[in-house]
Amino acid sequence: DAKTTQPNSMESNEEEPVHLPCNHSTISGTDYIHWYRQLPSQGPEYVIHGLTSNVNNRMASLAIAEDRKSSTLILHRATLRDAAVYYCILNPGTYKYIFGTGTRLKVLA
Amino acid sequence: DAGVTQSPTHLIKTRGQHVTLRCSPISGHKSVSWYQQVLGQGPQFIFQYYEKEERGRGNFPDRFSARQFPNYSSELNVNALLLGDSALYLCASSTGQAPRVDTQYFGPGTRLTVL
Repeated sequence: DAKTTQPNSMESNEEEPVHLPCNHSTISGTDYIHWYRQLPSQGPEYVIHGLTSNVNNRMASLAIAEDRKSSTLILHRATLRDAAVYYCILNPGTYKYIFGTGTRLKVLA
Repeated sequence: DAGVTQSPTHLIKTRGQHVTLRCSPISGHKSVSWYQQVLGQGPQFIFQYYEKEERGRGNFPDRFSARQFPNYSSELNVNALLLGDSALYLCASSTGQAPRVDTQYFGPGTRLTVL
């Protein structure tokens, strides 16, 4: 199973953009990159996913490197409600998600 | 629309006992997955069911079993509980029709404490 590597923690000021990196050097050509986040005392929630092209939705943007060995989740304006653990997951086409330890994002008021 | 529901919310058991956790998926979803999340770690995959058939199994002992019912709800059973089984058990549902791009919707989890 392909693995991902993320920083353990990051901090951001409120209203500023946040770039959360993820390395996945063993990604295969058909693996989709999914991002989920887990707010305190809740189950994970979907954020965004992509294959090769950059993706945008109302929650965030996903920038995927040309060689697909890394990706970056971009929160354009962090709010206190964005404080959570963010997980980068490679989806090979099964529901067997392999979660790492994720990045704990702290947002400072 | 109701999200994924799990019951009970919290549970306390003693070593050696058996436990059954329940999950109701989002209406129209035919796939249910179970995850175990130990404090401080990411969720670990246990099982996935689609249309009442087991589609995937993680690296868990045979003490863990699950099943899916005709209405797509699911049960996770754990026998001979160990202290190390203390964790948050998460259920996730999805349509099951496009695994590469499907979104998994997670429930709030059941917090199991084994004493």
